[in-house]
Amino acid sequence: KAGVTQTPRYLIKTRGQQVTLSCSPISGHRSVSWYQQTPGQGLQFLFEYFSETQRNKGNFPGRFSGRQFSNSRSEMNVSTLELGDSALYLCASSLEGDAGELFFGEGSRLTVL
Amino acid sequence: AQSVTQLDSQVPVFEEAPVELRCNYSSSVSVYLFWYVQYPNQGLQLLLKYLSGSTLVKGINGFEAEFNKSQTSFHLRKPSVHISDTAEYFCAVTFVAGTYKYIFGTGTRLKVLA
Repeated sequence: KAGVTQTPRYLIKTRGQQVTLSCSPISGHRSVSWYQQTPGQGLQFLFEYFSETQRNKGNFPGRFSGRQFSNSRSEMNVSTLELGDSALYLCASSLEGDAGELFFGEGSRLTVL
Repeated sequence: AQSVTQLDSQVPVFEEAPVELRCNYSSSVSVYLFWYVQYPNQGLQLLLKYLSGSTLVKGINGFEAEFNKSQTSFHLRKPSVHISDTAEYFCAVTFVAGTYKYIFGTGTRLKVLA
């Protein structure tokens, strides 16, 4: 079956702009989580959604937001972009989101100039 | 606060040699443990996981890891590496109580040399 699909794969923005990233989970997976990956920092948890409800949120400023739709697809938005937001944003889906295997997409690489 | 430490940021090793990638965690509550691998320009994929039971866990591609509760470690090992094992490896924990988030280490870049 199809894996986790993230769009766009690459994007370049300038400071102050906003960006929306999309994630389509594996069919049947209801949990979607988002992570920010930067060199030397590993993966930092952004948030997790299950059945359109945010169940947990990481320590990121309010400029980072997300949502999940009834078909389990998820979007994350970053407003007022800063240079430090340049990163690979990874989406992962799982069946239940609790000790289940995470299935990752290939990520959306955001560059902020 | 919970944390995961991967002390080695890079590990070079010759082909067919054994390798150990170290992972230590800190948590006041019970955890589940994972190792993920990331090949260039790809997302992460699960190598193995420890939920309960035998502390020696076998995963894909000949990797194994041992959970040591007293030392709060979950080191990854492979007896003989191949060039194709060159990748970045991440140790991660999530919590038995269920917080729906995973905490990842900063990763270890394994470079297998010919």
